[in-house]
Amino acid sequence: GNSVTQMEGPVTLSEEAFLTINCTYTATGYPSLFWYVQYPGEGLQLLLKATKADDKGSNKGFEATYRKETTSFHLEKGSVQVSDSAVYFCALSDNAGNMLTFGGGTRLMVKP
Amino acid sequence: DTAVSQTPKYLVTQMGNDKSIKCEQNLGHDTMYWYKQDSKKFLKIMFSYNNKELIINETVPNRFSPKSPDKAHLNLHINSLELGDSAVYFCASSQGKHGGYTFGSGTRLTVV
Repeated sequence: GNSVTQMEGPVTLSEEAFLTINCTYTATGYPSLFWYVQYPGEGLQLLLKATKADDKGSNKGFEATYRKETTSFHLEKGSVQVSDSAVYFCALSDNAGNMLTFGGGTRLMVKP
Repeated sequence: DTAVSQTPKYLVTQMGNDKSIKCEQNLGHDTMYWYKQDSKKFLKIMFSYNNKELIINETVPNRFSPKSPDKAHLNLHINSLELGDSAVYFCASSQGKHGGYTFGSGTRLTVV
């Protein structure tokens, strides 16, 4: 079956540091890939997505590239802010779009 | 207007009770979901409905019964609540494989 593996947290960074959160996946066919963010006490919000190989999703300074050869979708941001502190989830959608499979989530803490 | 709304936001109840969580979406999406998030933030799908029809029913105890009266609503009824049912339950909706999900803000269920 499909699965998503992402680096365990927490990841603690100083403001303006560079962020990478690794995500790799196992899937049959051609899944779509997503990053979601969950701020404390809230639901998940779609951060960015990529629907085919070599696509780059980007939003709010975050970006991730769909790498089929390495089955990866790493999340990056050049300069993090305190307000980016949250839990980040990598996810993939099966071919039929019937189900999102999530990674275990990575907590990011950004200190001033 | 809230796109996916679920009620109640908090639910504290005793073991053995029966409770329901309601979810409504005003996005016109065809597919709705229930996810369970445990204390370690791990997200697991429970059910998926497409146009009122059940399409995914993961390994969930029979005490959990979803009901979809129309494609804008997906309710979750839980019988004979147990301590292990304590979690945050998220409703979500989607349209197609590439659109990503829109999540509700969650219902924190605490069984005492």
